[in-house]
Amino acid sequence: EVQLLESGGGLVHPGGSLRLSCVASGFTFDNYAMSWVRQAPGKGLEWVSGIRGSGGNTYYAESVKGRFTISRDSSKNTVFLQMNSLRAEDTAVYYCAKDLERETVAGSGLDPWGQGTLVTVSS
Amino acid sequence: DIQMTQSPSSLSASVGDRLTITCRASQSIRSYLNWYQQKPGKAPKLLIYAASSLQSGVPSRFSGSGSGTDFTLTISSLQPEDFATYYCQQSYSTPLTFGPGTKVEIK
Repeated sequence: EVQLLESGGGLVHPGGSLRLSCVASGFTFDNYAMSWVRQAPGKGLEWVSGIRGSGGNTYYAESVKGRFTISRDSSKNTVFLQMNSLRAEDTAVYYCAKDLERETVAGSGLDPWGQGTLVTVSS
Repeated sequence: DIQMTQSPSSLSASVGDRLTITCRASQSIRSYLNWYQQKPGKAPKLLIYAASSLQSGVPSRFSGSGSGTDFTLTISSLQPEDFATYYCQQSYSTPLTFGPGTKVEIK
């Protein structure tokens, strides 16, 4: 069974940093792209970042470009999201998700998703 | 960036109803369109990928159609467990983008 388990969320002050982790199991990790998607309280879904299965290419939403960094460690079957210079508007549940079929970030759906980890940016 | 719109934003329906939700892309995305269902407090679940392919384990009452810029999600006979919010998402190019969602409520 494919499983994704996020961790690392919490309360952080504006301007602070946080590192999210997503441990994957049940599939050949290097063969699939991974993405982070967030959902602010009571709002819709916003794709944040994605990384190719090989780890060579990374992609970001304009809203986080230059502040967030996605990476992956195939030895640990883990994808990370390093979040710096956090703002109140970054407050959200952050989900990691596996690409359904592909090693590339675009081209297919996202399935499955983890249970999410809550990031709250507040003073 | 490709903008996604959905209509309606919400609707009330009864068990057994046939339901159609539409999604429109700001430019052609060929068939790179996916549909998700999300229930309160839960992660989204993929229903339909590549516009019309039913994800494994998803009931056959769900179907998708369309290509280019206009797409639809149809639920042939609404069941109690289908009351949720539905999102479309384009996977044609990065940044991946989602529609604003359609909330399906019980009439």
